[in-house]
Amino acid sequence: DAEITQSPRHKITETGRQVTLACHQTWNHNNMFWYRQDLGHGLRLIHYSYGVQDTNKGEVSDGYSVSRSNTEDLPLTLESAASSQTSVYFCASSESTVTGELFFGEGSRLTVL
Amino acid sequence: DQQVKQNSPSLSVQEGRISILNCDYTNSMFDYFLWYKKYPAEGPTFLISISSIKDKNEDGRFTVFLNKSAKHLSLHIVPSQPGDSAVYFCAASDQGGSEKLVFGKGMKLTVNP
Repeated sequence: DAEITQSPRHKITETGRQVTLACHQTWNHNNMFWYRQDLGHGLRLIHYSYGVQDTNKGEVSDGYSVSRSNTEDLPLTLESAASSQTSVYFCASSESTVTGELFFGEGSRLTVL
Repeated sequence: DQQVKQNSPSLSVQEGRISILNCDYTNSMFDYFLWYKKYPAEGPTFLISISSIKDKNEDGRFTVFLNKSAKHLSLHIVPSQPGDSAVYFCAASDQGGSEKLVFGKGMKLTVNP
């Protein structure tokens, strides 16, 4: 079965360290997204990609970067982790760019000390 | 400014009764609405959607109603089951693309046996 997987599921790091969260999907979807979920904020878009070599900033992109070298993967990098980036991160993919029906991974819980 | 509002953070109902989850939005450009369900330690999963050209969409025990004039939608679950206990997110988008999908803060539904 097609799926979307995130790793690591849990990570603790220190302020200033670089962190990369992996996202891999086997749906062969062109569209991939990274969200963060925080109490009181719901899901907020960090970055998104509509195809290989395409990346775009979302609502809360400061301090994050992504790269899309193939269809399956969209890694999220925190260049210099900050305590404000402690959150649960969700990767998602979709077939359509219009309808908003997303397939989410199980999430990566990141704690920045 | 919060464009998609789920004003009640939680709801508790008895098994077999109806659950009604409400969502309000402020952006009149939104024309597609979705509900996602999220279990603890899992990613959100798509539940049901509705286009602005309709006022009702039904899928088994789940029905979404849209009142465009009031900028209000609701999700009805009948009959409610303990397995429905989860956090429900309302989301909305315009035809501009999935990157414009806006999520509410979520509402925790508890269905008691």
